Amino acid sequence: QKEVEQNSGPLSVPEGAIASLNCTYSDRVSQSFFWYRQYSGKSPELIMSIYSNGDKEDGRFTAQLNKASQYVSLLIRDSQPSDSATYLCAVSGTYKYIFGTGTRLKVLA
Amino acid sequence: GAGVSQSPSNKVTEKGKDVELRCDPISGHTALYWYRQRLGQGLEFLIYFQGNSAPDKSGLPSDRFSAERTGESVSTLTIQRTQQEDSAVYLCASSLGGTTYEQYFGPGTRLTVT
Repeated sequence: QKEVEQNSGPLSVPEGAIASLNCTYSDRVSQSFFWYRQYSGKSPELIMSIYSNGDKEDGRFTAQLNKASQYVSLLIRDSQPSDSATYLCAVSGTYKYIFGTGTRLKVLA
Repeated sequence: GAGVSQSPSNKVTEKGKDVELRCDPISGHTALYWYRQRLGQGLEFLIYFQGNSAPDKSGLPSDRFSAERTGESVSTLTIQRTQQEDSAVYLCASSLGGTTYEQYFGPGTRLTVT
């Protein structure tokens, strides 16, 4: 079982819709959770971090964490074609970050 | 402020040659990470530095790979006797340290071994 799992996609959503990206992790002692966006040919860019159960909102982005279910998600509201990228979930329990392989999102104009 | 910088941005080398990749972390960031990302793949952890502590080298794929860091500043990743399977983007990231601080990535070095 992979430590951090994401559906590779592609996840296709129409412009203006809500995109929902999901991530599960196996290590129950994980404490910190991150979402990164990676455009093709570019390096990962931090979108959000979340440390406590519940929702955290930042602009069009909402991260949701459920430690009991070992599940973290990212919602993107009013999706734009510029949101088309690969979204990486990262989990940290100690100093080491474990990255998922990413979900490719395509926002259709 | 300045972000993480890496050099060179691109490196083409012949099989068997040594290469050295450089990373300048964000000022004040005590933690520094190196990752490898092969085309279409996820991020592969290589090595972690935290201040003056002994680095975690558990992700280095072979003894051809080594890395150094001077204090809390520049780090270099050296690959000796490069092989074609070393072709990848090498990413450096830094953070304030600990487990609740976000990592910020540099632009990466694209290494091509011919």
